[in-house]
Amino acid sequence: RKEVEQDPGPFNVPEGATVAFNCTYSNSASQSFFWYRQDCRKEPKLLMSVYSSGNEDGRFTAQLNRASQYISLLIRDSKLSDSATYHCVVKLPGVSGGGADGLTFGKGTHLIIQP
Amino acid sequence: DVKVTQSSRYLVKRTGEKVFLECVQDMDHENMFWYRQDPGLGLRLIYFSYDVKMKEKGDIPEGYSVSREKKERFSLILESASTNQTSMYLCASSVTPDPPDTQYFGPGTRLTVL
Repeated sequence: RKEVEQDPGPFNVPEGATVAFNCTYSNSASQSFFWYRQDCRKEPKLLMSVYSSGNEDGRFTAQLNRASQYISLLIRDSKLSDSATYHCVVKLPGVSGGGADGLTFGKGTHLIIQP
Repeated sequence: DVKVTQSSRYLVKRTGEKVFLECVQDMDHENMFWYRQDPGLGLRLIYFSYDVKMKEKGDIPEGYSVSREKKERFSLILESASTNQTSMYLCASSVTPDPPDTQYFGPGTRLTVL
């Protein structure tokens, strides 16, 4: 498996600021892309999938550039509750043929929103 | 709501012991996964299973084995625990097809090997 690389953290930003996470992946066969969020001492949870057309969910916008093998996540008007670790995640084609394959996680970027 | 449970939140074992980590999901998902999470390394896939009695190696299978005798249960086995297996172990499950390929994680087991 190839790596997924993310911005090193931690990011310390004031409440209300816009935060941008960037991620690159090295395997061009990667077929699905996600951002997962993990709160302190909790399990990761899907934040949003990432599509080539870009997708938005409230204050969160995700973008995928397949040609550059680049994924981004933008958080606008950041809140204290956005403090967490954000994982860039890639799925490779399923080896089993059944669509199942593990996810490849980046190392995660820790975000701290300060009041 | 999908629920993935793991048998223990915290576990302390001694070097050389055989360790079983159990994971159960209640949503009839075909696919189950075991990851470990270490500071500075992120989550890494150990093994996964896409059907009962089926298993596939992930990125770091060495020192581990798995068992999937029932659809809802996926066990991770450390045949002879070593100190470098001290880690947070996370189980996950998913269903195919399930856009957007969401994996649902359990709360994790923090294993310490002395």
